[in-house]
Amino acid sequence: AQTVTQSQPEMSVQEAETVTLSCTYDTSESDYYLFWYKQPPSRQMILVIRQEAYKQQNATENRFSVNFQKAAKSFSLKISDSQLGDAAMYFCAYKRGPGDSNYQLIWGAGTKLIIKP
Amino acid sequence: NAGVTQTPKFQVLKTGQSMTLQCAQDMNHNSMYWYRQDPGMGLRLIYYSASEGTTDKGEVPNGYNVSRLNKREFSLRLESAAPSQTSVYFCASSTTGARGNEQFFGPGTRLTVL
Repeated sequence: AQTVTQSQPEMSVQEAETVTLSCTYDTSESDYYLFWYKQPPSRQMILVIRQEAYKQQNATENRFSVNFQKAAKSFSLKISDSQLGDAAMYFCAYKRGPGDSNYQLIWGAGTKLIIKP
Repeated sequence: NAGVTQTPKFQVLKTGQSMTLQCAQDMNHNSMYWYRQDPGMGLRLIYYSASEGTTDKGEVPNGYNVSRLNKREFSLRLESAAPSQTSVYFCASSTTGARGNEQFFGPGTRLTVL
């Protein structure tokens, strides 16, 4: 069975600096998707970034980028120029795919990110 | 465009009581999901509905039932609530096909069972 591990329960960073959140996963599949979701105090779950395993290029979304190491089964999230609004829980998630029968997201336990002003 | 909506936002039940959590989406998505989130853990899938008229068990289905009422609505029912079901419940939806791997979430329902 697939598992997702986030080894950092909490991270803190100074505003405007860069922080990296770690995620590792275990799978025997070769084709899958990886996600980072953000959950602010409002509880709303928001997609930050997505990576398809067959793509070697690391995904980027503005200040957010990933370091996807398929052989090492590692998927870290880098947040550049950290802002106060980035403070949240960050969850890494895995999904088998493609295929219409592969619905389940497997979630890590989350990392709480604190931004220091 | 409201996205995914859930009602109620908060609920307190006594052990043995029943209730239904409602979820609706206006994005014309085929698939809908119910998750629970417990402290210190990621989300765990309770049930999902791949398309209208179908439902399947997820990782933690015991103590729950679901109904896919139509394409928009997917409800979660607790027949006899237990303290172990105290949690935050999220509904989500997604399309199928090439873009079917992004799930959109509702705001959650915080349920306390005394």
